[in-house]
Amino acid sequence: GQQVMQIPQYQHVQEGEDFTTYCNSSTTLSNIQWYKQRPGGHPVFLIQLVKSGEVKKQKRLTFQFGEAKKNSSLHITATQTTDVGTYFCATGTASKLTFGTGTRLQVTL
Amino acid sequence: KAGVTQTPRYLIKTRGQQVTLSCSPISGHRSVSWYQQTPGQGLQFLFEYFSETQRNKGNFPGRFSGRQFSNSRSEMNVSTLELGDSALYLCASSLGNQNTEAFFGQGTRLTVV
Repeated sequence: GQQVMQIPQYQHVQEGEDFTTYCNSSTTLSNIQWYKQRPGGHPVFLIQLVKSGEVKKQKRLTFQFGEAKKNSSLHITATQTTDVGTYFCATGTASKLTFGTGTRLQVTL
Repeated sequence: KAGVTQTPRYLIKTRGQQVTLSCSPISGHRSVSWYQQTPGQGLQFLFEYFSETQRNKGNFPGRFSGRQFSNSRSEMNVSTLELGDSALYLCASSLGNQNTEAFFGQGTRLTVV
């Protein structure tokens, strides 16, 4: 089946530093969604990208979909402690998602 | 608007037993999907129900089953529990159309001993 890999698995940053997680697939993706899961919590939808080369911003978060629609990235500028959690990319419909392996972000003061 | 509600939140069962988990979707959502989350395998799709019919199925053994009622509430059942079934089980509800987002419940943490 379809596999979506994310790197890094884990990143520890100081508050104020930037953070980027990458999502890669060997096959072309119809779309990419990003979710955040806080420790002890559940995944929460952040955004969906569908177009080749698409870039979307949400405050300090920037999401990109690759030109070939095989990769995506999430970049957080000037991390805050509230950014702590695991970030997942996912592809498919809301009814059936294939999730990436996730990147756990730890932010310390 | 109320979110997705899963019950129970925590469950401890013995190997060989069976378990039933419940999920109440957001009002108006007809699609309910179930996922298993473990540290080793990550988030894996189990199955999806739409209008009381299983519409999609993941790659899990037949011990994992589900159903959906006319009010869109869904249950999943795991029979003959194994230690490896210990996981966080998440359900997600959505409108069931393309390009919509999934809303996840808080999950049921199942521990098999």
